[in-house]
Amino acid sequence: AQRVTQPEKLLSVFKGAPVELKCNYSYSGSPELFWYVQYSRQRLQLLLRHISRESIKGFTADLNKGETSFHLKKPFAQEEDSAMYYCALSGGGGADGLTFGKGTHLIIQP
Amino acid sequence: NAGVMQNPRHLVRRRGQEARLRCSPMKGHSHVYWYRQLPEEGLKFMVYLQKENIIDESGMPKERFSAEFPKEGPSILRIQQVVRGDSAAYFCASSEQTYEQYFGPGTRLTVT
Repeated sequence: AQRVTQPEKLLSVFKGAPVELKCNYSYSGSPELFWYVQYSRQRLQLLLRHISRESIKGFTADLNKGETSFHLKKPFAQEEDSAMYYCALSGGGGADGLTFGKGTHLIIQP
Repeated sequence: NAGVMQNPRHLVRRRGQEARLRCSPMKGHSHVYWYRQLPEEGLKFMVYLQKENIIDESGMPKERFSAEFPKEGPSILRIQQVVRGDSAAYFCASSEQTYEQYFGPGTRLTVT
């Protein structure tokens, strides 16, 4: 069975500090991994996907198959980064339903 | 493009009543997904539909829940004889073929 684990329910960092949101997964095949973000009073939206290998809003995430991890990182946090972040997995190349972690609430303190 | 639309945004039902949740996908999208989010939990996949077909319903409870995506009109998630445990936020997402899923604002169902 596929599973996504986000060990931190809440993460609070100061503005300008580095951020790392952890995500570990369990899947027997080759998954596709995503990070979704939900800002206050907005709908869930895709932040980035591992196959794109791009940086969005300064965030990056590298798929580590050996450690089965897909941690989200940003070198310098900004106040507008405060949001709920969800890691998600797809086993069907994006064509099937996503398996989500429980989410991490990121708070950036001024 | 208005994005994925869901209505109603809030729905209150008494135990035993039926709940109908609607989802209009983005223009041009033929793939619809339904998810449920219980308090303090992540989103849980329920069902994946294409026009007039259920592709994957592995996340749907075996009883009382059904979904459809007709040739014309929105996708409907139907919950019969609701119970308190059905209280949750229900999210719909749509995609074009196998690309990014775009999410709606959700419907918050409260069963009293």
